[in-house]
Amino acid sequence: QQQVKQSPQSLIVQKGGISIINCAYENTAFDYFPWYQQFPGKGPALLIAIRPDVSEKKEGRFTISFNKSAKQFSLHIMDSQPGDSATYFCAASRRGGGNKLTFGTGTQLKVEL
Amino acid sequence: EAQVTQNPRYLITVTGKKLTVTCSQNMNHEYMSWYRQDPGLGLRQIYYSMNVEVTDKGDVPEGYKVSRKEKRNFPLILESPSPNQTSLYFCASSFSRDRGPDSPLHFGNGTRLTVT
Repeated sequence: QQQVKQSPQSLIVQKGGISIINCAYENTAFDYFPWYQQFPGKGPALLIAIRPDVSEKKEGRFTISFNKSAKQFSLHIMDSQPGDSATYFCAASRRGGGNKLTFGTGTQLKVEL
Repeated sequence: EAQVTQNPRYLITVTGKKLTVTCSQNMNHEYMSWYRQDPGLGLRQIYYSMNVEVTDKGDVPEGYKVSRKEKRNFPLILESPSPNQTSLYFCASSFSRDRGPDSPLHFGNGTRLTVT
């Protein structure tokens, strides 16, 4: 059972464009939603995270939008750059869940010149 | 440098030959975990440990063992590897006190295992 569904599987964006990755979750007990960025040959690294008490969080060119009623959240990368080319994972965890993150299936982003 | 170190980075073995993947962290983290990454499936948790001598199963524990005798080390043991355990494995660690930006999960660089 995939508790966090992520789309699209892959994405090609032109330099300067907006990259959008979407995730949906089922478990209403989830209360922490991070995004991880993974470059080839490396482990995932925390990019940005949000809790459900806010609808949006922005850090530089990266923004998480959160819709609690729809149980959806998304990552927006503004002014996408070739250096943003990586695999992005959304994730979710719940209080009392023992620090466990449930990950989406990942999105391979390629930013072309 | 704060890091999670896994060894080896690449491992090719045959069915049934016991192997151990080591994981060590230098951040004094209480929590450690193993994930496997497979195409189309994302990262799935194998085992985790909240502290020394405390381990528990994740979502896909079958065929794996772990131990946590010291705070910094969390080895993953495959006693009788099978081809369906061919995967990319990641060790991760964090503080236990919070699941937020102040205590993110830190990942190692992965171990690519092939079982023939």
